[in-house]
Amino acid sequence: EAQVTQNPRYLITVTGKKLTVTCSQNMNHEYMSWYRQDPGLGLRQIYYSMNVEVTDKGDVPEGYKVSRKEKRNFPLILESPSPNQTSLYFCASGSRTGGKLFFGSGTQLSVL
Amino acid sequence: GQNIDQPTEMTATEGAIVQINCTYQTSGFNGLFWYQQHAGEAPTFLSYNVLDGLEEKGRFSSFLSRSKGYSYLLLKELQMKDSASYLCAVIPPGGYQKVTFGTGTKLQVIP
Repeated sequence: EAQVTQNPRYLITVTGKKLTVTCSQNMNHEYMSWYRQDPGLGLRQIYYSMNVEVTDKGDVPEGYKVSRKEKRNFPLILESPSPNQTSLYFCASGSRTGGKLFFGSGTQLSVL
Repeated sequence: GQNIDQPTEMTATEGAIVQINCTYQTSGFNGLFWYQQHAGEAPTFLSYNVLDGLEEKGRFSSFLSRSKGYSYLLLKELQMKDSASYLCAVIPPGGYQKVTFGTGTKLQVIP
């Protein structure tokens, strides 16, 4: 089954404690991206990647890191989380040739 | 850049028809998505319009006018499970690495 697998689904942490949210897709997609979603602001892109070892900033990259060492995986890293990073996060993937974006099930992050 | 406008909220009655509008101002255009999102869940794909006109898919239809920067999503025979947010997203030239999502329209279906 074609899917984007994102973990964990829920995460509560404290300020400054490094964390990683994993994302994996099984569709051999070139494009992968991370979004955060906050009430009234919609989905905002954090980082995206067009291929292995190729990443670029989205609209709200501050405080986040990503890596793309393998085509299927695109983890999101928060080196020193802060309360303003409390949000609902989604990973997405798609084919370079176009078509729909596939989303992971989301990670609800709370930073205390 | 892209600027996308959608109504924030709408209410409609079960069994009725509702139209959700989306207007956009962009420096370029390469297609438009509609996604459905239930609260706390992932967006799910509804439609993808590239050319002008109406695309019908069961109870859902999507219309695009590129010259007017306008799209709408039409939902027929509304069901309670259609209560969700509906997201409009514009794809710029060069691909969806820079796709921009609207803030979404929260639809409430009432009995």
